Amino acid sequence: DSGVTQTPKHLITATGQRVTLRCSPRSGDLSVYWYQQSLDQGLQFLIQYYNGEERAKGNILERFSAQQFPDLHSELNLSSLELGDSALYFCASSVDGQPFYEQYFGPGTRLTVT
Amino acid sequence: GDSVTQMEGPVTLSEEAFLTINCTYTATGYPSLFWYVQYPGEGLQLLLKATKADDKGSNKGFEATYRKETTSFHLEKGSVQVSDSAVYFCALSRPLAGGYNKLIFGAGTRLAVHP
Repeated sequence: DSGVTQTPKHLITATGQRVTLRCSPRSGDLSVYWYQQSLDQGLQFLIQYYNGEERAKGNILERFSAQQFPDLHSELNLSSLELGDSALYFCASSVDGQPFYEQYFGPGTRLTVT
Repeated sequence: GDSVTQMEGPVTLSEEAFLTINCTYTATGYPSLFWYVQYPGEGLQLLLKATKADDKGSNKGFEATYRKETTSFHLEKGSVQVSDSAVYFCALSRPLAGGYNKLIFGAGTRLAVHP
């Protein structure tokens, strides 16, 4: 158990809908990262937050947004969903944003868009 | 841009065989290097890491050495077990502007170990 929790585990929704994925980092970790894992794209970095502020952006679509709250949990919002958004979404956390600190991954949320 | 290239899988081995999974990277500066493992139905777990050239990371019998001259970080294990069957990801982390970072992953290599 990494100490990172994600809810829900599974999500099935229709095209055009909006969903929210939730992540709670390990106790004491200030940095949260979101990743998307799909068969065709592999593991892709989406976005990083540090202590409530956005710090780095990767291949995140404009239809997607995220935030980190004062209690350090984070939410990833996916809107106008398309079939291609079906993937595993992972959240990870680390002590801070330095590159030599490992990231601890949650179990993921499997999103299926029908 | 930064990238990580891993040998394609699947890699199929018998129990107690020697394992090598090749990983090479392209990055400016001095990245930190990681191996993560993903067991079926689970999230990624850190297996080992190295933060500077010639560092050797090791854990659970797995080893990898950070070779800057060949930009490689190959994963090895002397004697694999059935329980090592998983997908292995090589990754690098390089500082971005502002001192923050992101992980860049290879495509992953699936390992299947048979009794």
